[in-house]
Amino acid sequence: AQSVTQLGSHVSVSEGALVLLRCNYSSSVPPYLFWYVQYPNQGLQLLLKYTSAATLVKGINGFEAEFKKSETSFHLTKPSAHMSDAAEYFCAVSGPSNTGKLIFGQGTTLQVKP
Amino acid sequence: DGGITQSPKYLFRKEGQNVTLSCEQNLNHDAMYWYRQDPGQGLRLIYYSQIVNDFQKGDIAEGYSVSREKKESFPLTVTSAQKNPTAFYLCASSLAGTAYNEQFFGPGTRLTVL
Repeated sequence: AQSVTQLGSHVSVSEGALVLLRCNYSSSVPPYLFWYVQYPNQGLQLLLKYTSAATLVKGINGFEAEFKKSETSFHLTKPSAHMSDAAEYFCAVSGPSNTGKLIFGQGTTLQVKP
Repeated sequence: DGGITQSPKYLFRKEGQNVTLSCEQNLNHDAMYWYRQDPGQGLRLIYYSQIVNDFQKGDIAEGYSVSREKKESFPLTVTSAQKNPTAFYLCASSLAGTAYNEQFFGPGTRLTVL
């Protein structure tokens, strides 16, 4: 069965520091993986997705993620944090049976300190 | 502008009442989804529909009902049988109900039971 684990429910970084949000997945089939961002009281916005074309995926707002099959990981990074990056981030893996269902992690709240 | 609209943004319900949350999309997407979000629990799938006049239960369908009479609309009814309905509800759509299509999210409806 597919599942996602996000390590760390809260991450705090200083403005300008590296952002690293961790995501590990479990999937019985080659996975499609997604990162979404959610600002308070809003819907989710897609940051990037992995669909097997390239292991390093670049997304919006300077974020990128690397698919590592051997580690079953899809960690999200950004070289330099901005105050506007403060939000909740969700990793998701495609569900079984090609139904379009997504399995979401618990989310990681990113705090950016001035 | 294409997108997903949800209404109302805030909804208050008395115990024992049914309420219906609206979700409309003008993206011409075939698949639509309803999620429930509770703090620290990520997103949990309530119902999904891959095509008009067809829908399937998700992981937490008890106490909820849906209909899909039109491609652009996927209303969710929270019935009195739902034991703890206070939550943030998110509607999403995707081009097709396949594993590699990302989901686009609406702004959400916050339901509070008084």
